[in-house]
Amino acid sequence: NAGVTQTPKFQVLKTGQSMTLQCAQDMNHEYMSWYRQDPGMGLRLIHYSVGAGITDQGEVPNGYNVSRSTTEDFPLRLLSAAPSQTSVYFCASSYGGSLETQYFGPGTRLLVL
Amino acid sequence: AQSVTQLDSQVPVFEEAPVELRCNYSSSVSVYLFWYVQYPNQGLQLLLKYLSGSTLVESINGFEAEFNKSQTSFHLRKPSVHISDTAEYFCAVSEGAAGNKLTFGGGTRVLVKP
Repeated sequence: NAGVTQTPKFQVLKTGQSMTLQCAQDMNHEYMSWYRQDPGMGLRLIHYSVGAGITDQGEVPNGYNVSRSTTEDFPLRLLSAAPSQTSVYFCASSYGGSLETQYFGPGTRLLVL
Repeated sequence: AQSVTQLDSQVPVFEEAPVELRCNYSSSVSVYLFWYVQYPNQGLQLLLKYLSGSTLVESINGFEAEFNKSQTSFHLRKPSVHISDTAEYFCAVSEGAAGNKLTFGGGTRVLVKP
């Protein structure tokens, strides 16, 4: 199993550009989530999904969109990037909700100029 | 709303010395507590968790944490650290039995010196 994969590993954007961060898992996990990691602030939940077709907002959802058309994939979209979105983004998945072990991807480092 | 405070942002420690990482949480309902570890340039991995039962939980690599409800704490300890324990450690909490949201603390960076 590849586990949780994320692409790209690193991306530079200009303010106002859009992009999609990809996340895929091959463990047949129902629960998937996106976090951003900023120094001294730990990880903050952006959006999560409890199954295909079901998504919900986390702690910091503004500026981000998600969809879950398949169990395997959970892309995160930035419609109009802002410098405040410069961060490291992690995708995670688990069999159940947050009480189950979360399996994290390697992360995507995003720099918005 | 739940929140997590990790009181130390960095903890330098010599190899084979003990280490304690402090974690306090606030919540108005029952909570479930976790410690995750992030090695350099990697994603997070679960270290240990408390869901119910014994308040002392252990990991396979010698870490332990104790849930203290009266002090709303879940401190992580290891009696003797190795160089390979150099990493960032995150405490996290999930509220209620049906919770789908993990709230993380700010992290504690542990640097083990030879």
